[in-house]
Amino acid sequence: NAGVMQNPRHLVRRRGQEARLRCSPMKGHSHVYWYRQLPEEGLKFMVYLQKENIIDESGMPKERFSAEFPKEGPSILRIQQVVRGDSAAYFCASPGEYYGYTFGSGTRLTVV
Amino acid sequence: RKEVEQDPGPFNVPEGATVAFNCTYSNSASQSFFWYRQDCRKEPKLLMSVYSSGNEDGRFTAQLNRASQYISLLIRDSKLSDSATYLCVVNAKNDMRFGAGTRLTVKP
Repeated sequence: NAGVMQNPRHLVRRRGQEARLRCSPMKGHSHVYWYRQLPEEGLKFMVYLQKENIIDESGMPKERFSAEFPKEGPSILRIQQVVRGDSAAYFCASPGEYYGYTFGSGTRLTVV
Repeated sequence: RKEVEQDPGPFNVPEGATVAFNCTYSNSASQSFFWYRQDCRKEPKLLMSVYSSGNEDGRFTAQLNRASQYISLLIRDSKLSDSATYLCVVNAKNDMRFGAGTRLTVKP
């Protein structure tokens, strides 16, 4: 999938636990976008990050969700005290110069 | 009003049919436009970019009308393998916004 790596592919958490989702963009790219897709729904923008900067977090829920993209290492989407409604597929994407975004394979979070 | 709106679907068509999807967007500053395809439980993948003059890729034709802020995708001679959800995507200054998608099922 053209170099956007996400892990884990599947994540199961009990209510109240924390979930950490990781994304490494395409080599040489320093921007990532996170999207959430609830079952049977479309992609919803969450946050846009550059290395060490949050550019746009207008789509992030105000509580329990945070994102970072440190100078070294992958971007992390962190969900604290997960609830059943957080169960979804979380995709990250790396922008291409001319051809839109390339997506990672996603992390499917299941909260039990 | 949603930033990007698509036909809700689903579209169920027989093999060989021609099917068209429509999409409207609200941000007049949008600069680039795409159609993505998403298969069940998979990540979205770029199907084609949409150019102002319209463009064609095999059985797929994309059109853009900037004045009406409208994008379309036409699929001719539908194949079973075209069954998927088609996402309209609009980009303004590196901020990509997705439509909710239109589900297509092509039946034998």
